[in-house]
Amino acid sequence: AQSVTQPDIHITVSEGASLELRCNYSYGATPYLFWYVQSPGQGLQLLLKYFSGDTLVQGIKGFEAEFKRSQSSFNLRKPSVHWSDAAEYFCAVGVLNNAGNMLTFGGGTRLMVKP
Amino acid sequence: EAGVTQFPSHSVIEKGQTVTLRCDPISGHDNLYWYRRVMGKEIKFLLHFVKESKQDESGMPNNRFLAERTGGTYSTLKVQPAELEDSGVYFCASSQFTGSISPLHFGNGTRLTVT
Repeated sequence: AQSVTQPDIHITVSEGASLELRCNYSYGATPYLFWYVQSPGQGLQLLLKYFSGDTLVQGIKGFEAEFKRSQSSFNLRKPSVHWSDAAEYFCAVGVLNNAGNMLTFGGGTRLMVKP
Repeated sequence: EAGVTQFPSHSVIEKGQTVTLRCDPISGHDNLYWYRRVMGKEIKFLLHFVKESKQDESGMPNNRFLAERTGGTYSTLKVQPAELEDSGVYFCASSQFTGSISPLHFGNGTRLTVT
């Protein structure tokens, strides 16, 4: 069975600083990987996805993530954080089986941004 | 296009009562998913509809939970009778394609509190 680990429950960064959120997955085949963000009072919004090809994927809001198969990681990065990035971030692995497209989520990382 | 909508946004009920959550997927999306996040835990899969058929309900916690999707449009998730451990945020998601990995579009969730 697949699993996702986000080692950092909380992260605080200063506005303008760089950001990296860690995600490690466990899955026996080629993973389909996603990052979602949940801002206060909002639903889950897709930031970016990796299906195949270039291991560095670009997303919305200036985010990017790099798939590293050797490390089973899919870390999310942003070069300069804005106050509006304060939210909870979820990494997920997608599995396509007979039942459909099921996501397994990590526990989430809550990002706080200091002015 | 309108996104996935969920109603109500919040619900507070007493133990033993019944609650029905509703989800309207994006128009034309055959796949509808229910997920749940209980306090401090991961977001967990509950079940998956393809049109009006339950494709996978392996994540449903017990028989107090009943999901329906009559006509293959909106879906309801009923909890009867509610228990304290049912408290959490219930997310609905939809996707267009069956048989391939595609990003899920999530609603804002329903926050259920059982007292």
